[in-house]
Amino acid sequence: EADIYQTPRYLVIGTGKKITLECSQTMGHDKMYWYQQDPGMELHLIHYSYGVNSTEKGDLSSESTVSRIRTEHFPLTLESARPSHTSQYLCASSPPPGDTQYFGPGTRLTVL
Amino acid sequence: KQEVTQIPAALSVPEGENLVLNCSFTDSAIYNLQWFRQDPGKGLTSLLLIQSSQREQTSGRLNASLDKSSGRSTLYIAASQPGDSATYLCAVIPGRRALTFGSGTRLQVQP
Repeated sequence: EADIYQTPRYLVIGTGKKITLECSQTMGHDKMYWYQQDPGMELHLIHYSYGVNSTEKGDLSSESTVSRIRTEHFPLTLESARPSHTSQYLCASSPPPGDTQYFGPGTRLTVL
Repeated sequence: KQEVTQIPAALSVPEGENLVLNCSFTDSAIYNLQWFRQDPGKGLTSLLLIQSSQREQTSGRLNASLDKSSGRSTLYIAASQPGDSATYLCAVIPGRRALTFGSGTRLQVQP
């Protein structure tokens, strides 16, 4: 079974706060991804990484930023949260290109 | 730009029925195709991965087929159970990038 973790699972914060959503995997996968999903809507890629010190923006424009200092860790940061950031954020990782992507349980973010 | 469409958007069936979920994509230059299940408020669970060179994959009561030339995939669920109720997502893998997802089919299996 895949070992990919996300914390926190649920987060409710006020507008203007800085937050970091954590994602870590213990499988040694080089590729990691962040997706955003509004309730009942499609998943959209917002960030991805091919390895340490490699990050790229995805298809959906996002005000968040990511970093990849260690292989197992791919945190996502919002410098100043807004209600429009309310969504579910899913992290995933995969071995070499084209193979199965393993997903974490997600973080459900609500910005008041 | 790759677009993935899933039909129907929602489906309700009585327990025991066999059913088919459909997925179509506009760009046939895909690397793989993957079917996921998502339970409310949870992350995704991978069900089946079909390599571009394959035509189908089977796991238990699930069978997924892939026809790259026509841009279609189907997920067949045999003898459906209430525990199968979830949203089923189809996603195509273009190779170097992440998956492109469809909007999903919400399945409800009535006991």
